[in-house]
Amino acid sequence: NAGVMQNPRHLVRRRGQEARLRCSPMKGHSHVYWYRQLPEEGLKFMVYLQKENIIDESGMPKERFSAEFPKEGPSILRIQQVVRGDSAAYFCASSPTDSYGYTFGSGTRLTVV
Amino acid sequence: DAKTTQPNSMESNEEEPVHLPCNHSTISGTDYIHWYRQLPSQGPEYVIHGLTSNVNNRMASLAIAEDRKSSTLILHRATLRDAAVYYCILSGNAGGTSYGKLTFGQGTILTVHP
Repeated sequence: NAGVMQNPRHLVRRRGQEARLRCSPMKGHSHVYWYRQLPEEGLKFMVYLQKENIIDESGMPKERFSAEFPKEGPSILRIQQVVRGDSAAYFCASSPTDSYGYTFGSGTRLTVV
Repeated sequence: DAKTTQPNSMESNEEEPVHLPCNHSTISGTDYIHWYRQLPSQGPEYVIHGLTSNVNNRMASLAIAEDRKSSTLILHRATLRDAAVYYCILSGNAGGTSYGKLTFGQGTILTVHP
C-alpha cells in the first residue's frame, strides 16, 4: 500500500517561471491537503480539497497560487511567476475522512533562483 | 482554531521513557487531539490521536486528562530514531473551522542522548 507520493522531490525554478507540484494520495483517500514549510518555520496549512472541489483555501496566497484535485489523476499545486519568497518545502497529506488519519508525503522542496 | 502549548524542547536518554506534555485549555468537545512528529528533511509522521479515552499503539501512548484540557504523549523507550520535532494538534469543527485542517505550532524538539 503505497503512501502519499509527491513529485518532484526537488524543483528549481528561476524567478518568473511556473512551478507545478504533484501529489497522489493514498489509495482510498479522497481528502487532500497542502501545507507549506518556510525555512526555519512551522508548517502552514494552505488548502484542503476533495475530488473536484476546494473545501477550504483560507491559507492560500491570494495571487499566483492555485490548487486542483481532478476526478482522475493527482492533485496539483500550481505557483505562477515564482519569486524567491516561494522557496520552501511543500507537503501534501491525504486522509480517508475529514477528521483523522492524515498521511503526509515526503514533500517537494522548491528553490527559486 | 483552538491552540496548543508545548515546551520548546526536551531531552531524554536512550531507552528511557519520555513524557511530552501539551496544554489545550480551549479545546472543544468535538476536537480530536493529534500527535505528529517530523524528522529532519521529512514530512510529518502520524504518531497517535484520540478524543476522550487514553490510546495506545505500537509507537506510543496518549494520556488525555479527564477535562481534556491537557494531554501527554508517552514514548515508552526512547531510541535515537525518536529524535524529532513533536507536534500536538487539535482538529475539529471548533469555531466553525474545517475539520480537515491541522494547525501546526512550533512543537517540542526532542533530543535523545545515547
